[in-house]
Amino acid sequence: DAGVTQSPTHLIKTRGQQVTLRCSPKSGHDTVSWYQQALGQGPQFIFQYYEEEERQRGNFPDRFSGHQFPNYSSELNVNALLLGDSALYLCASTVGLGGYTFGSGTRLTVV
Amino acid sequence: QKEVEQDPGPLSVPEGAIVSLNCTYSNSAFQYFMWYRQYSRKGPELLMYTYSSGNKEDGRFTAQVDKSSKYISLFIRDSQPSDSATYLCAMRTSNFGNEKLTFGTGTRLTIIP
Repeated sequence: DAGVTQSPTHLIKTRGQQVTLRCSPKSGHDTVSWYQQALGQGPQFIFQYYEEEERQRGNFPDRFSGHQFPNYSSELNVNALLLGDSALYLCASTVGLGGYTFGSGTRLTVV
Repeated sequence: QKEVEQDPGPLSVPEGAIVSLNCTYSNSAFQYFMWYRQYSRKGPELLMYTYSSGNKEDGRFTAQVDKSSKYISLFIRDSQPSDSATYLCAMRTSNFGNEKLTFGTGTRLTIIP
């Protein structure tokens, strides 16, 4: 049973560029959330998608946007990258009030 | 004040010892409580998921929730070197549409052989 898969695993971008990260949820899960984890910190909630709509959003600027597709997969887009956007980006999926399953993350480095 | 407080450690204990990890929280709307284990450069792995106050046991792991004190704990018995990782507590409300997880900062644990 495949869990949550994320791509790419690593990415290096230049300040000002745009990036797209991808996530396929665990089979049977319909809700996808994105988290940003800085080194030595707990994950911070970016937003959550359910039924192809953004249901909840954390304290992140509009440069962070996302999308959910009919097959429940999701993308996270970040525009105008800043050095401070360097982090591990985690995708998590769930269904109902179940536990969240996380992917291995995409490590983004902005130079 | 952060909604969830967790001692970042680091915590080092000898192999075979009992480990106690703790978090406190301030938001009484939190109803679901989780413990995740995260190895270096990997995503968090769900260890325990609890709802009600009391204890829940799974193998060497016991999760304890005290909603009246807003305090949760994870106990690891017979600790092994493979338990060396960062342990994150996380919690969520039961409100539909407000289901984000709020995490502690994580406690880095090292089990010394």
